[in-house]
Amino acid sequence: GQNIDQPTEMTATEGAIVQINCTYQTSGFNGLFWYQQHAGEAPTFLSYNVLDGLEEKGRFSSFLSRSKGYSYLLLKELQMKDSASYLCAAADSNYQLIWGAGTKLIIKP
Amino acid sequence: GAVVSQHPSWVICKSGTSVKIECRSLDFQATTMFWYRQFPKQSLMLMATSNEGSKATYEQGVEKDKFLINHASLTLSTLTVTSAHPEDSSFYICSAGQGESGYGYTFGSGTRLTVV
Repeated sequence: GQNIDQPTEMTATEGAIVQINCTYQTSGFNGLFWYQQHAGEAPTFLSYNVLDGLEEKGRFSSFLSRSKGYSYLLLKELQMKDSASYLCAAADSNYQLIWGAGTKLIIKP
Repeated sequence: GAVVSQHPSWVICKSGTSVKIECRSLDFQATTMFWYRQFPKQSLMLMATSNEGSKATYEQGVEKDKFLINHASLTLSTLTVTSAHPEDSSFYICSAGQGESGYGYTFGSGTRLTVV
């Protein structure tokens, strides 16, 4: 079956670095998405990886290993506004998105 | 970038009434629209996928007669929750895709539905 696993909750300190991991199993693979979702709001797109390696975009970076079925989202210089849920989603062979349950990130001063 | 406008942002309705939610792609043609439901502290649950001009494909467990989806044009898709009940209270989000692959990555702002 198709499955996405990511931690339920993580806590980090303002100014620090945090890595949110995601493992996936899909029927075919057409890329891995990361979204940020603040409480009560719709998700917003952060990154898309389809090739192995690291994609850096400002304070956020996303990594993909297709052979391991593994991705991570790296957040640097954490700010209080980064407190949110981070959703991992993999696109299968039909380009349907398979969603993880989300990781709630709590930032402490 | 691509923008999807979703209305209303929130709605309160009485049990037994129907509610229509609209999603419009403002600067691109959405060949495919995905409709999601999200309960508090849970991830997105795909309800159905609609392609312009054809019937929607519903996920297992989603009642197609209760959640009516219309995708009559390349810029507009609607979800109508018919005979709403309190258990239908949820956050409904649309996501529009474009191009042949059609996988959605642009989300509407969501609709908070409360049925009383």
